Amino acid sequence: DAGVIQSPRHEVTEMGQEVTLRCKPISGHDYLFWYRQTMMRGLELLIYFNNNVPIDDSGMPEDRFSAKMPNASFSNLKIQPSEPRDSAVYFCASSSVGLAAGELFFGEGSRLTVL
Amino acid sequence: AQSVAQPEDQVNVAEGNPLTVKCTYSVSGNPYLFWYVQYPNRGLQFLLKYITGDNLVKGSYGFEAEFNKSQTSFHLKKPSALVSDSALYFCAVRSPWDQGGKLIFGQGTELSVKP
Repeated sequence: DAGVIQSPRHEVTEMGQEVTLRCKPISGHDYLFWYRQTMMRGLELLIYFNNNVPIDDSGMPEDRFSAKMPNASFSNLKIQPSEPRDSAVYFCASSSVGLAAGELFFGEGSRLTVL
Repeated sequence: AQSVAQPEDQVNVAEGNPLTVKCTYSVSGNPYLFWYVQYPNRGLQFLLKYITGDNLVKGSYGFEAEFNKSQTSFHLKKPSALVSDSALYFCAVRSPWDQGGKLIFGQGTELSVKP
């Protein structure tokens, strides 16, 4: 299996621009998570989906952030408009209820820099 | 509410010496506990997990962790550290009542192994 695939790996944009981060989970996994990692705040859960349905979006920082999962093999996280404080590494992870403890499998991350 | 604490931001160990990375948790019920490792510019990799049973669990790369219910701890250990073990280590917890597999992560501990 190719694992969780994220794109782009790096994104540099200017304040005010729209940013779209993409994720392809492991085939057969029914949970998908978006995390954000910063030095100051560590790893924060933004939102997660079960069978393509958002379950908990309480970690989404503001209305500027949105996430969708139109099908079982794709999710995107959008920031519009972007701000410098959104600069972080964004991780996608997937899991399956079939796994005994539900361990997460992470992608390599998308490093976002907003100038 | 679930929480995880990693009391040390950094742990320094000489190669060949034993290492311990500390983790304490707070969760209702019997927890599911995890350790992940993150190498520079990479995603998090699953190391090991505790669900139930033997308090000492073994994982990848020679790591093990000891679950201590009375102290609500799940410390990561390795008998003989390698320079290549240098990385960022995260402890995580999940409530068994949470079907969603949502993990709560600690702030991370930077492990540095010197030759």
